[in-house]
Amino acid sequence: KQEVTQIPAALSVPEGENLVLNCSFTDSAIYNLQWFRQDPGKGLTSLLLIQSSQREQTSGRLNASLDKSSGRSTLYIAASQPGDSATYLCAVTSGGSYIPTFGRGTSLIVHP
Amino acid sequence: ETGVTQSPTHLIKTRGQQVTLRCSSQSGHNTVSWYQQALGQGPQFIFQYYREEENGRGNFPPRFSGLQFPNYSSELNVNALELDDSALYLCASSTTGSTGYTFGSGTRLTVV
Repeated sequence: KQEVTQIPAALSVPEGENLVLNCSFTDSAIYNLQWFRQDPGKGLTSLLLIQSSQREQTSGRLNASLDKSSGRSTLYIAASQPGDSATYLCAVTSGGSYIPTFGRGTSLIVHP
Repeated sequence: ETGVTQSPTHLIKTRGQQVTLRCSSQSGHNTVSWYQQALGQGPQFIFQYYREEENGRGNFPPRFSGLQFPNYSSELNVNALELDDSALYLCASSTTGSTGYTFGSGTRLTVV
């Protein structure tokens, strides 16, 4: 059974810092890994999707990397802004069922 | 291209009642998954429908049931509501697991 862990659980930083959020998974036989953003009480917004054959994906100030052999992914946020404050969730799809397993998320606060 | 639409956005029910939540999948998507997200937790998989058939189920009791219609929209039904069923219910659609998932804004269910 796939298990997904996200570290840290919470993070508070001043505006302008570069950040790294971590996601680890137990079963390396994955199809893809997806990073989401969730604002309080809202649905999930997809940020980046990394296929199992890829090593990284970039979108604007966001860069996500994938290392299947070590069971890890990182989400790098450059030059953080207060608008980046949200919960960031990692979801891993594996096991032949195409059903994502989620971590508990990292709650990020960027203060001015 | 329309996204995933969920209704209603908020709902208050009494313990023991029944509830139906609805989801319209993104255009071109034939797979719908439902998730339950308790406060401070990651989304937990309830079940998935592919071409009107249940295609996988998480660790939820039979009083959680669902349907998928020919237009790929879906319903989640919960019978005999319990206080612990209070949560954000998320619907996600996709074509296959390799393309990633698109989530709706969720339905906030409160059971009193």
